[in-house]
Amino acid sequence: DGGITQSPKYLFRKEGQNVTLSCEQNLNHDAMYWYRQDPGQGLRLIYYSQIVNDFQKGDIAEGYSVSREKKESFPLTVTSAQKNPTAFYLCASSRAFSGNTGELFFGEGSRLTVL
Amino acid sequence: DQQVKQNSPSLSVQEGRISILNCDYTNSMFDYFLWYKKYPAEGPTFLISISSIKDKNEDGRFTVFLNKSAKHLSLHIVPSQPGDSAVYFCAAKGAGSYQLTFGKGTKLSVIP
Repeated sequence: DGGITQSPKYLFRKEGQNVTLSCEQNLNHDAMYWYRQDPGQGLRLIYYSQIVNDFQKGDIAEGYSVSREKKESFPLTVTSAQKNPTAFYLCASSRAFSGNTGELFFGEGSRLTVL
Repeated sequence: DQQVKQNSPSLSVQEGRISILNCDYTNSMFDYFLWYKKYPAEGPTFLISISSIKDKNEDGRFTVFLNKSAKHLSLHIVPSQPGDSAVYFCAAKGAGSYQLTFGKGTKLSVIP
């Protein structure tokens, strides 16, 4: 089945530790995204990547880092510099720009809790 | 400054009746609008979209209406079913942009 796989689904972290969330897609999509959802909030864009080896900051990139070494993979690292990292993280992908009507395909999410 | 607003955090509707979810936007550069449905602890799934050149798009029980002059769109679900109970997000994008701007969502509860 084509889709987006995020892992782990649940993750606990101690303050001061970096943690990396995995996102893999087999939809052959060029663009990938990371969003964060907090209770009562919409989805806020952290980073996005239009093509391999290139990525752009979204609205709330501070304290996060990403890489895009392969088309299928877009891992997100939540660093110790992120002041409030406890949240639900969603990875998404979409077709290349020329065919992009905005429809995103989302993974099932990763819930990060900082202890 | 919220560019996409869903002013009703929640909505309850009887099964079989119409559900109307509303969304307002402020950015006149938005040219494409989407609705997503989200169940707890899952990722959102795409429901229906509309281009700014149209005022209505229909897909089965779901219809989206766009009023550009009022910068307002709405999602109608007829008839509502218990399985429609979820959080619905309105989203918008500008021409040439990769970024979707999401509203805060409306939690729909369909009562059997």
